[in-house]
Amino acid sequence: DAGVTQSPTHLIKTRGQHVTLRCSPISGHKSVSWYQQVLGQGPQFIFQYYEKEERGRGNFPDRFSARQFPNYSSELNVNALLLGDSALYLCASSLEARAGEKLFFGSGTQLSVL
Amino acid sequence: RKEVEQDPGPFNVPEGATVAFNCTYSNSASQSFFWYRQDCRKEPKLLMSVYSSGNEDGRFTAQLNRASQYISLLIRDSKLSDSATYLCVVNALYKYIFGTGTRLKVLA
Repeated sequence: DAGVTQSPTHLIKTRGQHVTLRCSPISGHKSVSWYQQVLGQGPQFIFQYYEKEERGRGNFPDRFSARQFPNYSSELNVNALLLGDSALYLCASSLEARAGEKLFFGSGTQLSVL
Repeated sequence: RKEVEQDPGPFNVPEGATVAFNCTYSNSASQSFFWYRQDCRKEPKLLMSVYSSGNEDGRFTAQLNRASQYISLLIRDSKLSDSATYLCVVNALYKYIFGTGTRLKVLA
């Protein structure tokens, strides 16, 4: 069975542009979460989606948005990119959206903002 | 104060050594706890869940002390392949909070 897949794997953008990152969860998983990881830090929670509804949001500006589709895949959008948005963006899927669920991560999208 | 705190290391240990990592968390309402392993430039992978009764998986033992809000991971008989960053993860509701990770290097 395929794991969590993310695309693209690498992306280079310039300041002010916008970007869309994509994620397909493990088959049967209904929840998708997005994380940002900068070098030397642990992943930081951005969003969780379950059954197409936003279940939680971390401390990120409104430039960050996401959605989940009927097939449970998800997109993360970032507008008006800043240099500080350069990071590894990780998508994680889980069966449900409840405490104790194990997260399974995709290999991430490395975003560089120049 | 960070929600999840870990000693960043690095811990440099010889093969065969026993090494222990600690983690503290600030939210007493936290419900579940995990250790993840992350290799350089790769995604985090689940190592094990952590339960109050303590749990073991081969050479790895995890402990949780809810009263002290403290989690530990013990690795026995370290292998070269154990070299990685170990992330402590605490979950409350929808939110999974990651520590900054502890870097382990096992030396031949």
